Amino acid sequence: DADVTQTPRNRITKTGKRIMLECSQTKGHDRMYWYRQDPGLGLRLIYYSFDVKDINKGEISDGYSVSRQAQAKFSLSLESAIPNQTALYFCATSDALAGGIYEQYFGPGTRLTVT
Amino acid sequence: DQQVKQNSPSLSVQEGRISILNCDYTNSMFDYFLWYKKYPAEGPTFLISISSIKDKNEDGRFTVFLNKSAKHLSLHIVPSQPGDSAVYFCAAGGKAAGNKLTFGGGTRVLVKP
Repeated sequence: DADVTQTPRNRITKTGKRIMLECSQTKGHDRMYWYRQDPGLGLRLIYYSFDVKDINKGEISDGYSVSRQAQAKFSLSLESAIPNQTALYFCATSDALAGGIYEQYFGPGTRLTVT
Repeated sequence: DQQVKQNSPSLSVQEGRISILNCDYTNSMFDYFLWYKKYPAEGPTFLISISSIKDKNEDGRFTVFLNKSAKHLSLHIVPSQPGDSAVYFCAAGGKAAGNKLTFGGGTRVLVKP
């Protein structure tokens, strides 16, 4: 079983619709993240959470909101989807490796298309 | 302003040869760097890391070199194999940035048999 799961894997929605992407993890990590990937821009951080009561904006949070329902669950919402939110979305968790390096573990991604 | 840049969007190499992927950064506060590999329809997976106190880290066919004065790191894959065909992202992190990662734009590698 995958350690980080995302649902749905693919979604097509219309402009103005509300949509929620869900992420669950079984790794027991406190830290969770949401990224979007666009061609040539790599992975850009939308929101992150270091524990259940901690939510922080990333570099591109406008138009998005999140909810950390439990240590294992972190969901991303688009309140009113727009076409330029068409992208690949990844959830990740992290933990410290030896030497204090924080490796991140990614889910398989959700491909979202807004028409 | 992108703090982490991968200036080569793609790279093609013959099987058995060396693949060299480059990454530049601007923030001298980064404490460590990581490389991730991504296949289509999958999430990125961790490949190798290096602390800023080192200049080289090796793991099998993969070696990462860090030149702090130039703010440059590179990933060497020797020998390259067809299964190495993927997109590679470099990422940087550190305590000053809350241990969040900043990613480069990625380099697509194609290893030809």
